[in-house]
Amino acid sequence: GQQVMQIPQYQHVQEGEDFTTYCNSSTTLSNIQWYKQRPGGHPVFLIQLVKSGEVKKQKRLTFQFGEAKKNSSLHITATQTTDVGTYFCALPLRGYSGGGADGLTFGKGTHLIIQP
Amino acid sequence: EAQVTQNPRYLITVTGKKLTVTCSQNMNHEYMSWYRQDPGLGLRQIYYSMNVEVTDKGDVPEGYKVSRKEKRNFPLILESPSPNQTSLYFCASSLLAGGGRPWWETQYFGPGTRLLVL
Repeated sequence: GQQVMQIPQYQHVQEGEDFTTYCNSSTTLSNIQWYKQRPGGHPVFLIQLVKSGEVKKQKRLTFQFGEAKKNSSLHITATQTTDVGTYFCALPLRGYSGGGADGLTFGKGTHLIIQP
Repeated sequence: EAQVTQNPRYLITVTGKKLTVTCSQNMNHEYMSWYRQDPGLGLRQIYYSMNVEVTDKGDVPEGYKVSRKEKRNFPLILESPSPNQTSLYFCASSLLAGGGRPWWETQYFGPGTRLLVL
């Protein structure tokens, strides 16, 4: 099955510093999604990337999909305490869904801890 | 309000006693899914469904059953729960992109069901 590695597992930053989490797949992907989960909460969808080399921005968040569609990153500029939580990538269970929707597999997440 | 609801939110049970966790969505979504979340293991998909009467296994289906008789409901059944099924369970739903594109739209998660099997 699909292998996904997400790093780092934990990231401690001072408020105002930048943060990046990386997601790497063993196979070429049709698409990738990113989610955020606050402590005690449920995952909340952030974005979906589908095109090779795609870059999308949401305020201080920048999402990239690699040219080979095997990796992705989420970068947060100037972190704030509201950014605390765990960030997950999610990809098709079998990598590239050619005939229809597939199951999803999640990375283990990066826990972002912010020190004021 | 568009939402995914799960019941119960908390459940303590004993080994072998059948239980059902309900999931319902009011957004007319085709795709529904169950996940379990465990410390250090992240979110793992149990089963998913692309439409009524269409279900398929995710990463960790053993010990679970699902059914999709109506579009809005996707119950998770544990026929004979065991302690290793103690976990936090999430239901989620989304539209399918359609037009032959093999991906989902935004996935909406329910609030979670915390299950303890003694």
